[in-house]
Amino acid sequence: DQQVKQNSPSLSVQEGRISILNCDYTNSMFDYFLWYKKYPAEGPTFLISISSIKDKNEDGRFTVFLNKSAKHLSLHIVPSQPGDSAVYFCAASGGTYKYIFGTGTRLKVLA
Amino acid sequence: EPEVTQTPSHQVTQMGQEVILRCVPISNHLYFYWYRQILGQKVEFLVSFYNNEISEKSEIFDDQFSVERPDGSNFTLKIRSTKLEDSAMYFCASAIAGTGELFFGEGSRLTVL
Repeated sequence: DQQVKQNSPSLSVQEGRISILNCDYTNSMFDYFLWYKKYPAEGPTFLISISSIKDKNEDGRFTVFLNKSAKHLSLHIVPSQPGDSAVYFCAASGGTYKYIFGTGTRLKVLA
Repeated sequence: EPEVTQTPSHQVTQMGQEVILRCVPISNHLYFYWYRQILGQKVEFLVSFYNNEISEKSEIFDDQFSVERPDGSNFTLKIRSTKLEDSAMYFCASAIAGTGELFFGEGSRLTVL
């Protein structure tokens, strides 16, 4: 039951360029979305969130876009830096206490 | 900056043994969670805990699993009789509210032999 999907397992981007990570969901009850970054052998680190009443949220180099009709969200990182290389997870919840995580996208920023 | 702490960082155990993983959530948080990640797979929800009781649990969280908040600061996950397939990273998380940012600990790696 893949309610949250990240269809790109990996992505390589040149330093300074934009990284776009995508996430699709199937459950229309989801109304709150989070993006996390994860380094090997560490816990996920919260990056940015968006609720369904908005279609965009921005925090520094990170912007999350939400398209409710398409059940799609994306994380934009600009400019990308080598330190951004990590696995990125999107997570969604809807009126319950649990978050459903996507499978993750491994981002590699090339210097 | 306050953080979620977990112990042990790594535990190796024999199949059938009991394991307790410990977590100290952020002090003013009210909602507590356990997630796990089997190597190379996605982060999976196990259980959420609020007001001293389980709020929600996944199908993974069967009778072999239990959670407890014994003393108002610690939040523990017990696996009664470990199986090989329980080998994973177990992450504790806490949140101020039922929705909103989850803050994760560094994880406890469990290896079942």
